[in-house]
Amino acid sequence: GAGVSQSPSNKVTEKGKDVELRCDPISGHTALYWYRQSLGQGLEFLIYFQGNSAPDKSGLPSDRFSAERTGGSVSTLTIQRTQQEDSAVYLCASSPRTNSYEQYFGPGTRLTVT
Amino acid sequence: DQQVKQNSPSLSVQEGRISILNCDYTNSMFDYFLWYKKYPAEGPTFLISISSIKDKNEDGRFTVFLNKSAKHLSLHIVPSQPGDSAVYFCAAQLYGYALNFGKGTSLLVTP
Repeated sequence: GAGVSQSPSNKVTEKGKDVELRCDPISGHTALYWYRQSLGQGLEFLIYFQGNSAPDKSGLPSDRFSAERTGGSVSTLTIQRTQQEDSAVYLCASSPRTNSYEQYFGPGTRLTVT
Repeated sequence: DQQVKQNSPSLSVQEGRISILNCDYTNSMFDYFLWYKKYPAEGPTFLISISSIKDKNEDGRFTVFLNKSAKHLSLHIVPSQPGDSAVYFCAAQLYGYALNFGKGTSLLVTP
């Protein structure tokens, strides 16, 4: 079946602009996660959804970052007033349920802020 | 504060030999450990895992060892194949959801 998809695959934006990144999880997966990987770093947890609610937003680096999930499916990660330090690969993952270690990752969105 | 550390950014191994990738962690509350493999321009894919109550898990050519007293785990690949060349991430799980990742080790298997 189809895996996790993310769009766009690449995004170049000017500093100060807002961007939206989209994630389509595997159908039926109830849990959804956003991570980011900055250059030379490991994957950094940002936020987690169980259904449409986000019990854990602790990883969001600032209030410029927000995310929502609708219909228990698609999620968007929004970054307002982008800064150069926001440049990274943003990865989305889904899993069949909470407390599952099986997280299936999408290919990521490479964001470059100029 | 990096709770999962992979101190070797790269490793080169000859085809047919054993590859050993190492990982250290600081939080003794982690209850699950995983290895993910990542090819360029793709998301990480799950490779193998181990529960904190075990010390070894084997799946084909891949074996993960956990030493809780040392807070150390390792991934052994035997025999290594050129297709194993990728970046390997160690991850640890706490409370069943968020994964804490290391920075990755780039493995190159040469013919």
